[in-house]
Amino acid sequence: SAVISQKPSRDICQRGTSLTIQCQVDSQVTMMFWYRQQPGQSLTLIATANQGSEATYESGFVIDKFPISRPNLTFSTLTVSNMSPEDSSIYLCSVGGGRAGELFFGEGSRLTVL
Amino acid sequence: AQSVSQHNHHVILSEAASLELGCNYSYGGTVNLFWYVQYPGQHLQLLLKYFSGDPLVKGIKGFEAEFIKSKFSFNLRKPSVQWSDTAEYFCAAEPSGGSYIPTFGRGTSLIVHP
Repeated sequence: SAVISQKPSRDICQRGTSLTIQCQVDSQVTMMFWYRQQPGQSLTLIATANQGSEATYESGFVIDKFPISRPNLTFSTLTVSNMSPEDSSIYLCSVGGGRAGELFFGEGSRLTVL
Repeated sequence: AQSVSQHNHHVILSEAASLELGCNYSYGGTVNLFWYVQYPGQHLQLLLKYFSGDPLVKGIKGFEAEFIKSKFSFNLRKPSVQWSDTAEYFCAAEPSGGSYIPTFGRGTSLIVHP
């Protein structure tokens, strides 16, 4: 298993600003994933963060809007840039458990954009 | 594109009632299937999984799920729910031998009244 800590747990932000979410894992992992969970919607994968290379973004998500850093094997950040109310969501950091599809999640960062 | 559908978005039950949450996936090949649960104030965690073999899989806390290949379904069941089962339940699927990144359904909110 893996213990994942996310910061901040929640925040209220103004339109047009940016917020960086941090994800810390208690063990070294190859891949880290960032998900978005909008109200009443499924978890949507934003990108896969690989150490030492650029993140791989899913369709509909771009690096300019959601820049990701992965400086080492235990840490990653996701920035939500130039925020609008549509970005209000829960953002989740996740890592694989070594077996197919088994993921461990952080508690999420609830973002509200006014 | 692969998708996962959960038919019940909100379910309200009394304690001791039986539970069945529907999940269908759209993918023609071999799949790995999962149910995740998120208890209030806690992070998402794996409830049970199916990779191959016996299509009836048992998870934690008395939950089970049945894989019916002909129906592309993986329904979650529990014969007698408890108040502590109140949570959000997510079905997920991924192609076997794939990228180890599952696709999630939109979740079912279960409320169990004591």
